[in-house]
Amino acid sequence: KQEVTQIPAALSVPEGENLVLNCSFTDSAIYNLQWFRQDPGKGLTSLLLIQSSQREQTSGRLNASLDKSSGRSTLYIAASQPGDSATYLCAVRGSNDYKLSFGAGTTVTVRA
Amino acid sequence: KAGVTQTPRYLIKTRGQQVTLSCSPISGHRSVSWYQQTPGQGLQFLFEYFSETQRNKGNFPGRFSGRQFSNSRSEMNVSTLELGDSALYLCASSLGTGEYNEQFFGPGTRLTVL
Repeated sequence: KQEVTQIPAALSVPEGENLVLNCSFTDSAIYNLQWFRQDPGKGLTSLLLIQSSQREQTSGRLNASLDKSSGRSTLYIAASQPGDSATYLCAVRGSNDYKLSFGAGTTVTVRA
Repeated sequence: KAGVTQTPRYLIKTRGQQVTLSCSPISGHRSVSWYQQTPGQGLQFLFEYFSETQRNKGNFPGRFSGRQFSNSRSEMNVSTLELGDSALYLCASSLGTGEYNEQFFGPGTRLTVL
């Protein structure tokens, strides 16, 4: 069974600092990995999807890397802003069972 | 293009009742997945439908069921509600299959069981 872990569970940084969020998974047989953002009481917003054959994906201030062999992904958010405050979740789709497994998330607070 | 819509947004039920939640995917998307989110268990996969067929199922009791219609809209049903079923139920849609299968989520239905 795929286990997805996100460390740390919470993070507080001053505005302008770069954010580094970590995600690890136990089974490297994956189709893709997706990063989401969730605001309190809301649904999930897709940020980036990395296919299993890719090493990284970029969108604006966001960059996500994937090291499938070591079971790790990192989401970098450059020059953080208070509007980046949210919970960030990573999810891995297994290539054996095709299920999407989520981590518990990292709650980020960016202080103005 | 309109996003994923879910109705109703909020629901209050009592133990023993049943409930039906609805999800309309993004136009052109053929896959719909359902998830339950609680503070204690996080996001857990319920089931996935593709072209009206259940393609995958999570580890939930038979009280949880779903279906998908020919227009890709989906419903999930929970019978004999328990207090522990109180959660945010999220629906996600995607084009279908493969590595490019990006999931797009709706706003969720907040179910409270009293």
